[in-house]
Amino acid sequence: DIHLTQSPTSLSASVGDTITITCRASQKISSYLNWYQQKPGKVPQVLIYAASTLHTGVPSRFRGSGSGTDFTLTISGLQPEDLASYYCQQNYGTSLTFGGGTKVEI
Amino acid sequence: EVQLVESGGGLVKPGGSLSLWCTTSGFNLSTYSINWIRQAPGKGLEWVSSISRGSQKIYYADSVQGRFTISRDNAKNSLSLQMSRLRAEDTAVYYCVREVRISGNYFFDFWGQGTLVIVSS
Repeated sequence: DIHLTQSPTSLSASVGDTITITCRASQKISSYLNWYQQKPGKVPQVLIYAASTLHTGVPSRFRGSGSGTDFTLTISGLQPEDLASYYCQQNYGTSLTFGGGTKVEI
Repeated sequence: EVQLVESGGGLVKPGGSLSLWCTTSGFNLSTYSINWIRQAPGKGLEWVSSISRGSQKIYYADSVQGRFTISRDNAKNSLSLQMSRLRAEDTAVYYCVREVRISGNYFFDFWGQGTLVIVSS
């Protein structure tokens, strides 16, 4: 199975900051990488698919980049509603996996 | 409105069995693959199983292979996850999740609210 390592596991930032979350795959996965946001007590929602494509309705302050084994999620101009856990997920092959998650505190 | 509603969760003893159900509405189920994804209390997300539109392709995580069985009935807009030989580590909220494919990539666009399974003696 492909293992995804996210870092950091948690971070604290202020409103207006720019933060970056990284996701490293144990083998090359091209651009088969998605990012999800899970707010406290809510179900996950997709933010970015195919490494860098913003899902419909997602604010432009979210940006995804990378390919191969190294990926990043950048949030520019952090907002209070961005308090959440963020997960990367790969869909390269038939066994899907998620990263361990990054908890963002504001 | 797209909806996926899970049911069937509850308390079960280690080694026991339980069936989860997912009822869908607001979209044509026969045109989407569906996945089960779980989340242990306070933990991250773990993909469990997927089933293609016509049930031709079925996949399982190694952690549940041989113990869980996924199935679907498109005519009844429903899916099930039959779980047997349950272990404490299967304790989690189980989500029924729709998969959408765009240009060769696929991701999960709609999630149910989840049903809680607790495996404990």
